[in-house]
Amino acid sequence: DSGVTQTPKHLITATGQRVTLRCSPRSGDLSVYWYQQSLDQGLQFLIQYYNGEERAKGNILERFSAQQFPDLHSELNLSSLELGDSALYFCASSVEGWYEQYFGPGTRLTVT
Amino acid sequence: AQKVTQAQTEISVVEKEDVTLDCVYETRDTTYYLFWYKQPPSGELVFLIRRNSFDEQNEISGRYSWNFQKSTSSFNFTITASQVVDSAVYFCALSEVNFGNEKLTFGTGTRLTIIP
Repeated sequence: DSGVTQTPKHLITATGQRVTLRCSPRSGDLSVYWYQQSLDQGLQFLIQYYNGEERAKGNILERFSAQQFPDLHSELNLSSLELGDSALYFCASSVEGWYEQYFGPGTRLTVT
Repeated sequence: AQKVTQAQTEISVVEKEDVTLDCVYETRDTTYYLFWYKQPPSGELVFLIRRNSFDEQNEISGRYSWNFQKSTSSFNFTITASQVVDSAVYFCALSEVNFGNEKLTFGTGTRLTIIP
């Protein structure tokens, strides 16, 4: 158990819908990262928050957004969903940058 | 731009054999970190090791060992006396030490199957 929690574990939704994925980092970790894992793209970095502020953006679509709350949990919002958004979405946390990132169990999103 | 290459897509070995997973990286930075993660069939990503670019000493942890060679930009991972529980996808990753660029860049992974 990495100490990072993610909910829900599975999500099935239709095209055009909006979903929210939730992540709670390990106690004491200030950085939260979101990654997408798909068969064609592999593991791709989406976005990073550090202590409530956005720190870095990767290959995140404009339809996707995220935030980190004062209690340090984070949410990833995916809207206008397309079939190609079906993937495993991971949240990770670390004490701060460049330290090892501990990953949550992931949320498997299926868009039908 | 940083890049990680894991040329071995799939490897199968018989239990108790030793196996080495290759990782080659590219970066323009002199300071960076290298990582290995394991993704078992259950799907979670498990952290195995973090190594900074200034520490080229090999590391051994039980049946696992890592060989970091800056001259060849490689960070290879060896499992000695493999076991069925080692069956998983293994990812090598790189992080550059730049504020605002702390993400992990992953390789495509090597699927390791240990045959009983």
